[in-house]
Amino acid sequence: QITLKESGPTLVKPTQTLTLTCTFSGFSLSTSGVGVGWIRQPPRKALEWLALIYWNDDKRYSPSLKSRLTITKDTSKNQVVLTMTNMDPVDTATYYCAHRLNESGFYYDALDYWGQGTLVTVSS
Amino acid sequence: SYELTQPPSVSVSPGQTARITCSGDALPKQYAYWYQQKPGQAPVLVICKDSERPSGIPERFSGSSSGTTVTLTISGVQAEDEADYYCQSADSSGIWVFGGGTKLTVL
Repeated sequence: QITLKESGPTLVKPTQTLTLTCTFSGFSLSTSGVGVGWIRQPPRKALEWLALIYWNDDKRYSPSLKSRLTITKDTSKNQVVLTMTNMDPVDTATYYCAHRLNESGFYYDALDYWGQGTLVTVSS
Repeated sequence: SYELTQPPSVSVSPGQTARITCSGDALPKQYAYWYQQKPGQAPVLVICKDSERPSGIPERFSGSSSGTTVTLTISGVQAEDEADYYCQSADSSGIWVFGGGTKLTVL
């Protein structure tokens, strides 16, 4: 059974760096094809894809946020960490991590298991 | 940057068919996926690879593709289908994107 859970601060101040951790179970990030992504959703707004890390440490970032994001993995701990620098009130959102879609042993560019999300508020 | 365009809202009566479109230049070459999101919940994948239903998704959900547009069709809409729906795809360089979302209202 695949599960993911996000953790991190609920409140950060403008200009600070946000660090979020995704702790997962039921799969290994050392298995070929596996990936874990981060997605956010401001209150009452649309989903926004942020970043993805693959089993081979390949990484992809949203072009609009690339300069502020870093995604890393700790395979031994079953964790993926996302850092976002220079936080601003517009970054207030629920942040989700999710597992790359696996269908019949093949991996696709979608997300089949999601964490519950964690609300991060940016305010002084 | 790559964009996916959805209508902001769609309204249907119970039992009718709802169609939600998603347009993007790369869709002829890349798969599209659809997610359903209800208030306060994480998204759920309802259609993958343009037209396939993941296990556990009701048969009334279907997907199709034509050129630069993909369509999510919900046949015999039920009250429980009222939700936000998002399309998602990726470009050839591995950059993912979500559409702006469509709010489905069941009248």
